[in-house]
Amino acid sequence: KAGVTQTPRYLIKTRGQQVTLSCSPISGHRSVSWYQQTPGQGLQFLFEYFSETQRNKGNFPGRFSGRQFSNSRSEMNVSTLELGDSALYLCASSLAGDQPQHFGDGTRLSIL
Amino acid sequence: QKEVEQNSGPLSVPEGAIASLNCTYSDRVSQSFFWYRQYSGKSPELIMSIYSNGDKEDGRFTAQLNKASQYVSLLIRDSQPSDSATYLCAVSGNQGGKLIFGQGTELSVKP
Repeated sequence: KAGVTQTPRYLIKTRGQQVTLSCSPISGHRSVSWYQQTPGQGLQFLFEYFSETQRNKGNFPGRFSGRQFSNSRSEMNVSTLELGDSALYLCASSLAGDQPQHFGDGTRLSIL
Repeated sequence: QKEVEQNSGPLSVPEGAIASLNCTYSDRVSQSFFWYRQYSGKSPELIMSIYSNGDKEDGRFTAQLNKASQYVSLLIRDSQPSDSATYLCAVSGNQGGKLIFGQGTELSVKP
């Protein structure tokens, strides 16, 4: 069974640009959650989607947004990039919200 | 107070010893508890999940949960150098799909 797939693996952007990250969950998983990981703040929850609806949202500015498609694939968008957005962005999928989440390899975003 | 707190590391144990990793959480309505292992440069990998008080064993790993004390732990028996990694405790409340992570404990198993 294929795991969670995130693309791209690496991205380099400059301040002010925007970026879209993609996540394909494990087949059959309907819940997709996004996290930001930095050395200083650790793993922080961004948002969760279930059946194309955002169910939960973390404490991040509105520049961070996402969506989920009918096939459960999800995208995350960050607009007006700032230096502090440099991080590893992780996507995790689960059968339902309270079930164990399985992580993809992440997208490492660097802002110059 | 942080929502999920873990031992400050690094924790160093000799090969073959028992490694004990601890985690406390502040939200009493938390319902689901998970331990993840993260190797340097890799993404978190699920090791254990536990939902009710008591012990849950899986191979060399045992998770322990005490909801009254708001405490969850992970024991690794017969520790191996390949167990050297950062161990993350994660807690989920009634907002399913939202995991709150601790800062992680770095474990080093010395041959």
